[in-house]
Amino acid sequence: KAGVTQTPRYLIKTRGQQVTLSCSPISGHRSVSWYQQTPGQGLQFLFEYFSETQRNKGNFPGRFSGRQFSNSRSEMNVSTLELGDSALYLCASSLGPVEYEQYFGPGTRLTVT
Amino acid sequence: AQKVTQAQTEISVVEKEDVTLDCVYETRDTTYYLFWYKQPPSGELVFLIRRNSFDEQNEISGRYSWNFQKSTSSFNFTITASQVVDSAVYFCALRSIQGAQKLVFGQGTRLTINP
Repeated sequence: KAGVTQTPRYLIKTRGQQVTLSCSPISGHRSVSWYQQTPGQGLQFLFEYFSETQRNKGNFPGRFSGRQFSNSRSEMNVSTLELGDSALYLCASSLGPVEYEQYFGPGTRLTVT
Repeated sequence: AQKVTQAQTEISVVEKEDVTLDCVYETRDTTYYLFWYKQPPSGELVFLIRRNSFDEQNEISGRYSWNFQKSTSSFNFTITASQVVDSAVYFCALRSIQGAQKLVFGQGTRLTINP
């Protein structure tokens, strides 16, 4: 089975721009979660989707949004980028929420200049 | 609130030594899941193990073993006869079935195995 794929792998954007990151879960997985990883804050939960519905949201400003499509693929969007948004964005998929382990993709490295 | 503490920020050992990574968690919930993940230099988190709060049996998988003790809220991870390929950042994580249900990670322990 193919793993979780994320595109693009690397991205350089300018402050004020917006960005869309994409995630394709493992086949059959219906739950997708997003995380932000930075050296200072570690791994922080952004949001979780299950069957196209947002189940959970972390403590991030409204500039961070996401969605899930009927094929379980997910996108996250960050608008009005700030320097502090530079991070590794990780997507994870699982069969379902809560009790299932999550499998992570390779991440998208976003650099905001 | 839920919290995971990995007090060891960095550990460095010589190959073939045994090493234990500590994980202490906090939750008021009675039903929860604990996880360990490995993040090698390539960056991708690799799932290692999942444990539910009702199963305190220790687990062994090859050179890896896990010790779950509810009484001390700990879920420690031991690597026996460490190898250079074990070098990575290891994360412990907690997810409760009640409440916010977010997966909460510890800060990670950077493990370096020297030849």
